[in-house]
Amino acid sequence: QAVVTQEPSLTVSPGGTVTLTCGSSTGAVTSGHYPYWFQQKPGQAPRTLIYDTSNKEPWTPVRFSGSLLGGKAVLTLSGAQPEDEADYYCSLLYSGPCVFGGGTKLTVL
Amino acid sequence: EVQLVEYGGGLVTPGGSLRLSCVGSGFTFSDPWMSWVRQAPGKGLEWVGRIKRRGDGGTAEYAAIVKDRFTISRHDSKNTLYLQMNNLKTEDTAVYYCRCDSSVIGLYWGQGTLVTVPS
Repeated sequence: QAVVTQEPSLTVSPGGTVTLTCGSSTGAVTSGHYPYWFQQKPGQAPRTLIYDTSNKEPWTPVRFSGSLLGGKAVLTLSGAQPEDEADYYCSLLYSGPCVFGGGTKLTVL
Repeated sequence: EVQLVEYGGGLVTPGGSLRLSCVGSGFTFSDPWMSWVRQAPGKGLEWVGRIKRRGDGGTAEYAAIVKDRFTISRHDSKNTLYLQMNNLKTEDTAVYYCRCDSSVIGLYWGQGTLVTVPS
């Protein structure tokens, strides 16, 4: 089974910009992997932020954006807010099975 | 308002069985593909499997780790998704979430139900 890799933890200052990445053990991540990004706060269910690389849900704050860069899927947070402190997970589709990354714990400090 | 509510979690002995349900409301339940995702205590998210809508064949796919033990089904007229779990192991202990896999409806998640398989 493919392994999806994410940074275990990142820190961003309030108002700052941070980039979270999502890589694949099988090679470059492409749009054909349909990258998704999810946010999960302590004690809560996950919620979907980004689907199919760059598409946002209606509830996704404008400051979040998704893209592909350097063979990885990328979630960019521009203008971090204290409420953005959470765990972030990506998932990739491999011709059927879906695999989640291990998650990135984002601290806003 | 779209809602997904999971039921059926609880304590089950190793080797036992349990069936989880996920009831949807606020959308046409037969339209989207649906998934199950789980999260062991203090761990990350793990995909369990998904089921296509009837119009796309209604078939299910599974993660290798649960294949042959878990079965996903749906009863669209009851707005309900199921996860039948057999031969449960301690490593199946997790919160189980259902998710609507439709960008048209929205990729909504339920609040989850806890399954505990003690050692």
